[in-house]
Amino acid sequence: EVQLVESGGGLVQPGGSLRLSCAASGFTINYYWMHWVRQVPGKGLVWVSRIKSDGGATDYADSVKGRFTISGDNPKNTLYLQMNSLRVEDTAVYYCARGVGGYSVYDYWGQGTLVTVSS
Amino acid sequence: DIQMTQSPSSLSASVGDRVTITCRASQGFSNSLAWYQQKPGKAPKLLFYGASRLESGVPSRFSGSGSGTDYTLSISSLQPEDFATYYCQSFYSTPTFGQGTKVEIK
Repeated sequence: EVQLVESGGGLVQPGGSLRLSCAASGFTINYYWMHWVRQVPGKGLVWVSRIKSDGGATDYADSVKGRFTISGDNPKNTLYLQMNSLRVEDTAVYYCARGVGGYSVYDYWGQGTLVTVSS
Repeated sequence: DIQMTQSPSSLSASVGDRVTITCRASQGFSNSLAWYQQKPGKAPKLLFYGASRLESGVPSRFSGSGSGTDYTLSISSLQPEDFATYYCQSFYSTPTFGQGTKVEIK
């Protein structure tokens, strides 16, 4: 059974850092594009970043470029999102999601982890 | 980047009604569109991609159509479990979601 379990969310001050983890089971992340998508509570979905772990290709939304880093640990089958220089507007539920067939279409999602950036 | 505009932003309907949600892209693309359903406190669930390719396990009362810039999601006979928020998403280049359509009970 495919599962994605996020962790690492919490309360952080503006300018701070946080690392999110997404533990995958039931498949190997190395063979898929893996993504982070975020959602401000009560608002819409916004794509954040993607990675293809086998080749190291990564991509970022303009709003997080230079501040966030996506990575994958293939032996641990875990996806990460290192978030630095956090801003109040980064407050959201962060989901990891698996891409379907090389596309940025998401067939499996984690349960989400809430990141709150506030002083 | 492509912008995705959904309409309506919300609607009220009764069980058994036919419901149609529209998604318009700021520039055309060839069927690189997906639809998701999201219930409160839950992650989104993929319904379709490729505009009309129904995901396994999704009831056949859901259907999708469209091409170019205009796409629709239809629910032929609304069921109690269908009350949720629906999002379209372009995967043509940078993944971009519509703002969502909330389907509420009338």
